[in-house]
Amino acid sequence: EPEVTQTPSHQVTQMGQEVILRCVPISNHLYFYWYRQILGQKVEFLVSFYNNEISEKSEIFDDQFSVERPDGSNFTLKIRSTKLEDSAMYFCASSGVTQRTSALHFGNGTRLTVT
Amino acid sequence: GDSVTQMEGPVTLSEEAFLTINCTYTATGYPSLFWYVQYPGEGLQLLLKATKADDKGSNKGFEATYRKETTSFHLEKGSVQVSDSAVYFCALSDQGAAGNKLTFGGGTRVLVKP
Repeated sequence: EPEVTQTPSHQVTQMGQEVILRCVPISNHLYFYWYRQILGQKVEFLVSFYNNEISEKSEIFDDQFSVERPDGSNFTLKIRSTKLEDSAMYFCASSGVTQRTSALHFGNGTRLTVT
Repeated sequence: GDSVTQMEGPVTLSEEAFLTINCTYTATGYPSLFWYVQYPGEGLQLLLKATKADDKGSNKGFEATYRKETTSFHLEKGSVQVSDSAVYFCALSDQGAAGNKLTFGGGTRVLVKP
């Protein structure tokens, strides 16, 4: 079964550094998402992406965050200047063509640790 | 805004016991409802879904029925196994302009003991 893949599985970075989290969504999917889960807390929506532009973003997704689909397969999340509170598990997801019934398929996540 | 409330865990059960995880939601429209499962060290996997009132989603012995009148989507399994130990998330999808943005509940950790 096709799956969403994320790299790296674990990223450690120093405060103030830039990080790029990478995702390869399922190949025929059209909608792409980033979510995060701070340890012990809810899974939170960050951003959705469709037709090469952001379709919706949460208040968490401030100017420090950006997303990009640089080619036909990758979908990236960049954090320009990481803060301690950015430490979390970041999940990429994708969904298919049928908006109403298409479930999101998640990757295994990237655990980001900011020191 | 949309929200999902599910019972807090951890829920500890013996093998072959009956499992129920309560989930209620608040939404302005007619959302689709989902249960996702997160096994230790893994990502979120879709367990089951229901897209309209009275639909029943089922998978791997788990079931949940979309109850519009009580705004609930409780997860049940008649006989759990040790391998069902995981965190279970109830979620709803916002019928946004593009795609299905999910709103998650807080998750319920289930531990099944042999």
